[in-house]
Amino acid sequence: GAVVSQHPSWVICKSGTSVKIECRSLDFQATTMFWYRQFPKQSLMLMATSNEGSKATYEQGVEKDKFLINHASLTLSTLTVTSAHPEDSSFYICSARDAAGADTGELFFGEGSRLTVL
Amino acid sequence: SQELEQSPQSLIVQEGKNLTINCTSSKTLYGLYWYKQKYGEGLIFLMMLQKGGEEKSHEKITAKLDEKKQQSSLHITASQPSHAGIYLCGADSHFGNEKLTFGTGTRLTIIP
Repeated sequence: GAVVSQHPSWVICKSGTSVKIECRSLDFQATTMFWYRQFPKQSLMLMATSNEGSKATYEQGVEKDKFLINHASLTLSTLTVTSAHPEDSSFYICSARDAAGADTGELFFGEGSRLTVL
Repeated sequence: SQELEQSPQSLIVQEGKNLTINCTSSKTLYGLYWYKQKYGEGLIFLMMLQKGGEEKSHEKITAKLDEKKQQSSLHITASQPSHAGIYLCGADSHFGNEKLTFGTGTRLTIIP
């Protein structure tokens, strides 16, 4: 079945540095990918919609300059947390649907990336 | 915006017992998705419901969507330790809307 892969699975960085997280659709093309954030013991919150070849669409309250999204190809979207601070520590998950596949209803999720900012 | 509320927030069940998790929407849904997550890991797709009154089953898990398409339930029969985790319902509000709004989640613990 279709697979979405995230890298890295976990990352620890110093406050003030930038961190890039990759989301790849391994065997299908995705014109749109989604980035979610999850705090401990809480549900997923949609951060932004990543659109291939155009600007990302951010949800209300999400800082565009803080969370840079680049969707340069049909199989790769990246989320860069710029000038990270401890409050950015979280679990980040991406999702994508096979644009050309049959509509099985399944939205594929990556394994998630845990960011810890010291 | 659409809101999804799940109940209960947490559930502790003895192995072998049945259980039900509910998901209620403030608006009519286009599609309702059920996922399972072990904290700190990705989401595992369980089922997607789209039609009012629809019911789907996979192994010991059954999901239903009411006729009004505002409420869904997830029922697990004869629970096992492998069922433990966080169950999330997600919904999209119209066709082609791939971004989901998620419920608050239900943490399920199975006691041997």
